[in-house]
This record gives sequence, structure tokens and C-alpha cells, in this order.
Amino acid sequence: QVQLQESGPGLVKPSETLSLTCNVSGGSISSYYWSWIRQPPGMGLEWIGYIYYTGITNYNPSLKSRVTISIDTSKNQFSLRLSSVTAADTAVYYCAKDRGGWYVDYWGQGTLVTVSS
Amino acid sequence: QSVLTQPPSVSGAPGQRVTISCTGSSSNIGARYDVHWYQQLPGTAPKLLIYDNNNRPSGVPDRFSGSKSGTSASLAITGLQAEDEADYYCQSYDSSLSGRVFGGGTKLTVL
Repeated sequence: QVQLQESGPGLVKPSETLSLTCNVSGGSISSYYWSWIRQPPGMGLEWIGYIYYTGITNYNPSLKSRVTISIDTSKNQFSLRLSSVTAADTAVYYCAKDRGGWYVDYWGQGTLVTVSS
Repeated sequence: QSVLTQPPSVSGAPGQRVTISCTGSSSNIGARYDVHWYQQLPGTAPKLLIYDNNNRPSGVPDRFSGSKSGTSASLAITGLQAEDEADYYCQSYDSSLSGRVFGGGTKLTVL
């Protein structure tokens, strides 16, 4: 069974870039879609975007200008970069495995990223 | 404000049946995009509960079922148990937004 683990700074300053990496174990990152989803404290889920193992991406239009998702198949990892962050970007960020780009079938445990000076 | 509308909360006594609605529009559920449901227990990551409207992943009890009609979908839970107390989210695809959308979530309380 595939397992996912997010890693990265838990604190980011306003206007800077948030960077997270998701390490995939228990299976190959190839042949699947991989997503990032976030959840502000006490609020609901927001899809950020996904990447196919070939590098094809699809982003939430509301975040598209600030988001980059990349993949490194040699390391079995994929990454998220979110630029020009504000306090509104404070959230638990989940990496996840997708089924066909339509829904998530496996989730990471999530990592809290706080945007504050 | 979420594209998919769910009631903020529902409740039921142990053993009872509850349903959670998810209302969309002609650009998502009504456009025949599939609906998926997730369960988020307190302090944990969400977990896939129902996919493609009415399918259960391996390990999900058959007390959980999904349905879809028109621009809405529903999650039904029968034989309610204390361990079902959680937040539940529906999710689909929206062609106007060209992306995945979630409902705002429903908190289920087992009385």
C-alpha cells in the first residue's frame, strides 16, 4: 500500500515562497496522478492541483498564477511551490495519490504551514 | 462559499440512519461528473469513503452508501456508530472552473 509523507518548513514569511516535498513509498510514482490539497484551520478542503508522472499538470484556477507542482520520478517524490504567500495561505497541506486525476485514494498525514513574520 | 453545498451539521442516535446531501449545479454534478465522498476523523487526514457516486473502497463498511440524481448527491450511513462521528466532504469536477471542487463539509454528531 502506497504511503505519502510531506516535508518542508512549518513557518514561512509573508511574500515568500512556500515549498513542500512529498515522499512516496510502497510503490512507484510512475503511472499515476499526484495531488496537493490544503485545509485552513477549522475550514474545509481546497484542491491546489495535480501532476501526472509525465509532468502534465492541472491547477486550481484561483491559485494557478502562484502554484508550481513538479515531480522527480528518480527520487519517487513530487513537490509544491506556492509563491507570494499571505496569512490566507496558512493551512494543513496534504499530498495525495490520485485516481485518474478525478479523486484521491491515498492521503498523506498532512503538514501545517503557518504564514507569519 | 463552496461550489458544492452541504449542510454544516447532521446528527443521529446510535443505530439510526442519517443522510448528508451535496448540492451542485449544471456545471458539475448535473453535468454528470462523478461524486466522491471523504471521511475526516478528528485530527486526522481525510479518507476516501465513496468513489464514482456509489462505490466503496476495500475496507469501507457497507453501512456507507452513495447516490446521485440530477444536480445532487447523497451519502447515507445506516446503523450509526460512535466511531462514525467525523466531518464528511463531497467532491466532484466543475467544467466552468476547470477543476476539482469540494463541498464545505458536514459535521456528523452521534448523540
